[in-house]
Amino acid sequence: EVQLVESGGGLVQPGASLKLSCVASGFTFSDYWMSWVRQTPGKTMEWIGDIKYDGSYTNYAPSLKNRFTISRDNAKSTLYLQMSNVRSEDTATYYCTREGFAYWGQGTLVTVSS
Amino acid sequence: DVVLTQTPPTLSATIGQSVSISCRSSQSLLHSNGNTYLHWLLQRPGQSPQLLIYLVSRLESGVPNRFSGSGSGTDFTLKISGVEAEDLGVYYCVQGTHAPRTFGGGTKLELK
Repeated sequence: EVQLVESGGGLVQPGASLKLSCVASGFTFSDYWMSWVRQTPGKTMEWIGDIKYDGSYTNYAPSLKNRFTISRDNAKSTLYLQMSNVRSEDTATYYCTREGFAYWGQGTLVTVSS
Repeated sequence: DVVLTQTPPTLSATIGQSVSISCRSSQSLLHSNGNTYLHWLLQRPGQSPQLLIYLVSRLESGVPNRFSGSGSGTDFTLKISGVEAEDLGVYYCVQGTHAPRTFGGGTKLELK
């Protein structure tokens, strides 16, 4: 059974950094592109970016590419999202998804507030 | 960025009724490789989104065949032939043809 389990969310202050993780199981992680998607409290869905199966290539939403970095460790079957200089508008539930949006984790909530 | 416009934003239905949701794109979603990367997701209350239909009309494994997708280019439709209680939630279209990937605003299906 495919499972994606995100972690690392919580309450953070504006300007801080945060690193989210997504541990994958039930499939060969190194065979698939992986993505991060976030959902705002108002339920708007926003694609953050994705990473090639071997980690050699990344794509980002233009509005986020200067502050967010996606990486992966195939030996640990883990996807990462490094967030820097966070803002209140980054408050959202963050999901990792497998290639083609076929599988989603349960999400991890990030709240940016002082 | 590609804008996906979903209509209606809210849909009220009775059990057994057939309904349709429209997703219109600001650009053609036909990729140069011949595929059209338009997919449909359902997010039930309190749950993560799940994939229902991919590549316009292909039913994801385990999804009931009362769901169907159609369309081409810029106009796409999700149809539910006989709504059941478990179908309630928010439906999203999402495109994977162009970067950045983008989502529709969602259509909330509720019971009348």
